[in-house]
Amino acid sequence: AQKITQTQPGMFVQEKEAVTLDCTYDTSDPSYGLFWYKQPSSGEMIFLIYQGSYDQQNATEGRYSLNFQKARKSANLVISASQLGDSAMYFCAMRDSLNSGYALNFGKGTSLLVTP
Amino acid sequence: EADIYQTPRYLVIGTGKKITLECSQTMGHDKMYWYQQDPGMELHLIHYSYGVNSTEKGDLSSESTVSRIRTEHFPLTLESARPSHTSQYLCASRRGSGTTNTEAFFGQGTRLTVV
Repeated sequence: AQKITQTQPGMFVQEKEAVTLDCTYDTSDPSYGLFWYKQPSSGEMIFLIYQGSYDQQNATEGRYSLNFQKARKSANLVISASQLGDSAMYFCAMRDSLNSGYALNFGKGTSLLVTP
Repeated sequence: EADIYQTPRYLVIGTGKKITLECSQTMGHDKMYWYQQDPGMELHLIHYSYGVNSTEKGDLSSESTVSRIRTEHFPLTLESARPSHTSQYLCASRRGSGTTNTEAFFGQGTRLTVV
């Protein structure tokens, strides 16, 4: 079975600084995809960035980038130039290739607080 | 912007009542999902559907049921609500075949409180 691990329950970062949120995964599937979502206090899930297992380069989307280390099975999210609006829960997820309708399996999440 | 909608946004209801949480998407996605999430916790898959007339139970056991009569509509029903059902319920949809790594689009969620 696939597993997503996020070991940081909570993180603090000062405004305008960069922060890295950790995510490790475990899968036996040679083809897989990794996703990061942001969940503000309002509750909706906002897609941030995607990394495919065969992608040669690390994914980037604006201030978000993914530090993908395939051999270590890690896919850490880097947020550059943090803003107060970045305060939220962040979830790492992987598509389940075996069953469950190819649903996304989520980690436990990391709560990020950006301070002035 | 995602075109997936959930109603109601908030619901407070008494024990024993029957409730239906609505979820609709206008993107023509075949795959739809229901997740349950307690505050500040991870998401657990409770139901999914490959398309019309397809419904399956997810990893987390749930007393709720779902139906998929139309592509765009995936309602969740609780026949008799209990306080243990208090949680946030998130609906999601995805396009593409099973091997396509497309993101899931989420509705805004329904926060259910059973008193």
